[in-house]
Amino acid sequence: GAVVSQHPSWVICKSGTSVKIECRSLDFQATTMFWYRQFPKQSLMLMATSNEGSKATYEQGVEKDKFLINHASLTLSTLTVTSAHPEDSSFYICSARWQGSNQPQHFGDGTRLSIL
Amino acid sequence: KQEVTQIPAALSVPEGENLVLNCSFTDSAIYNLQWFRQDPGKGLTSLLLIQSSQREQTSGRLNASLDKSSGRSTLYIAASQPGDSATYLCAVPLGGQNFVFGPGTRLSVLP
Repeated sequence: GAVVSQHPSWVICKSGTSVKIECRSLDFQATTMFWYRQFPKQSLMLMATSNEGSKATYEQGVEKDKFLINHASLTLSTLTVTSAHPEDSSFYICSARWQGSNQPQHFGDGTRLSIL
Repeated sequence: KQEVTQIPAALSVPEGENLVLNCSFTDSAIYNLQWFRQDPGKGLTSLLLIQSSQREQTSGRLNASLDKSSGRSTLYIAASQPGDSATYLCAVPLGGQNFVFGPGTRLSVLP
């Protein structure tokens, strides 16, 4: 089946640093990738949608200057949390989809980000 | 605005029982509906995808049904096992982009 690899799986860093999370589709070309955030005991909330070669579309309330998304190729999207603060600590999950809306999304294993 | 709800929020059953998880959505204009499993601290594993033209999908002990007109889907788990313990999420894409998740049902299957 389709595999999405997310790296790193766990990050602990100091407040003020920037953190980059990678999301790769290993065996298919992902025309669309999604980034979600999940706080403890809550469901996933969509942060942004990125189509290869285009600027990401951010959901309301998500700061695009803080959460930089790059989808430069059909197999890689990156999320950079700039100047991270403790309130950015969360579980970040990416998903990838090939072509149309009737295709399933395949999820990475998530990245747990802890800002001290 | 699409809203997805799931009941029950939590469920605890003895091993071997059959069980049903429920998912409701407010906007019936969906392309498909997907059921996922999430283990603690982990990502999502896709269980079943039902296209809008389908009424049900089966995979092993899992059966998912979809009734678009009433905005409902059910996930039926037969002969539950302790390894089935996890949070089960349903999700629907809207407009081809947004993927709206329900809050999940936390399932515990007791040995």
